[in-house]
Parts: sequence; C-alpha cells; structure tokens
Amino acid sequence: DAGVIQSPRHEVTEMGQEVTLRCKPISGHNSLFWYRQTMMRGLELLIYFNNNVPIDDSGMPEDRFSAKMPNASFSTLKIQPSEPRDSAVYFCASSVRGYRKSDTQYFGPGTRLTVL
Amino acid sequence: AQKVTQAQTEISVVEKEDVTLDCVYETRDTTYYLFWYKQPPSGELVFLIRRNSFDEQNEISGRYSWNFQKSTSSFNFTITASQVVDSAVYFCALSEADDRGSTLGRLYFGRGTQLTVWP
Repeated sequence: DAGVIQSPRHEVTEMGQEVTLRCKPISGHNSLFWYRQTMMRGLELLIYFNNNVPIDDSGMPEDRFSAKMPNASFSTLKIQPSEPRDSAVYFCASSVRGYRKSDTQYFGPGTRLTVL
Repeated sequence: AQKVTQAQTEISVVEKEDVTLDCVYETRDTTYYLFWYKQPPSGELVFLIRRNSFDEQNEISGRYSWNFQKSTSSFNFTITASQVVDSAVYFCALSEADDRGSTLGRLYFGRGTQLTVWP
C-alpha cells in the first residue's frame, strides 16, 4: 500500500515568493496533519484536519500560512510570502481517528524547504 | 511546560551493546497514548510502537523492547545488541484522549535522542 505522499521533496525559493506544499494521505485515513521540524523548535504541529475540516490550527505561525483540504485525498500548505525563517522540513501525516480507532499517525517523507 | 522530555540528546554505543532511550511525559489525562518514532539519516519518520495508558505490559519486538511505568510517567525504549542500522534520531510522543478513549489528535513530541552505533 502507498504511504503518505508529499511533493515536492525539496524546494528552494527566494524570500517573498509563494510556496505550496502538497500531501496525499493514505487511502481510507480520515485525519491529516501538517508538522514542521526545525532545529530550534523540534517537531511541532501546524494544523490538522478531520474529515477534511480543520480542527486545530493553533500552531499555524501567522497569516502567511494557510492550509486546505478540498477532498479526502489531497491537502496543501501554502506560505505567502515566504521568509528565510520558514526554512524547515514540513511533514504531512495521516491517521484513522475515531472511537476505538488506531489513530496512529503515519508520516510522509517530508518536504525540505529552503528560503533564501 | 514540555509534555514529553527526552533528557538524552545524544548517545553513542558500539555495535552489540544494549542501549536504553529515556522518555518522561506529563499529562493530567487518565487516558492517553504514547508513541516512539525513528528518524533515520534519510529523514523520514517511521512509526515503531503505540501504547495506551491502560496497558502497562512491557512489549518486545525482536531486538526492541519498551518499558511503560505510569508510576514514574516513563516510557523507555531499549535496543538489545545494537547494530549500525539502528543509528537514527528516536522520538517519543504523547497524544491525549477524551473520556471515550479517542485521541485529541495532536502529537506532542520530545526533542529526540540521536543514537549513533559504531561498528
């Protein structure tokens, strides 16, 4: 079975440009999570969706970040405009959530973003 | 306050040594879940194990074993007869849950322990 798919795997952009990261969760999973990993802050949750609805976006740094999940098989994380401090590895994860469900989060390979 | 603490930032061992990675967590919930993930040099996060707060039985999977002790809020991970391929960053994580046992979604990660196994 295919795992979580993320694209691109690497992105290098210049400050001020728009960046869009993409994620395809595991088929049948109803929850999707976006995490960011940096040396300074470690792994932190940005936002998560349950049944395509954003449930907790308290980790989204600021208005420059936005996330959407138009359907059960696709999500985007957009940064506009990007800044050097956004440089990090962005992970997408998915799980099956609900009563008596496993809810183990399986992670994609990550997107390494570098903003110059 | 940090919900998950991994006090060991780096550990180095020689192949075939046993090594234990410590994890201490903090929560007020009676129902919660604990996880370990492995991040090899290639960068992906690999799920290793999930335990719920009502199951304190130790678990063994091959060379891996986990010791869950609610009395000390610890969920330690031991690798027996370590191998070079075990070199990675290991993360402990906590997920809190509602009264029905459904997780609240957010995973709180520790800062990770970098394990290096030398040949």
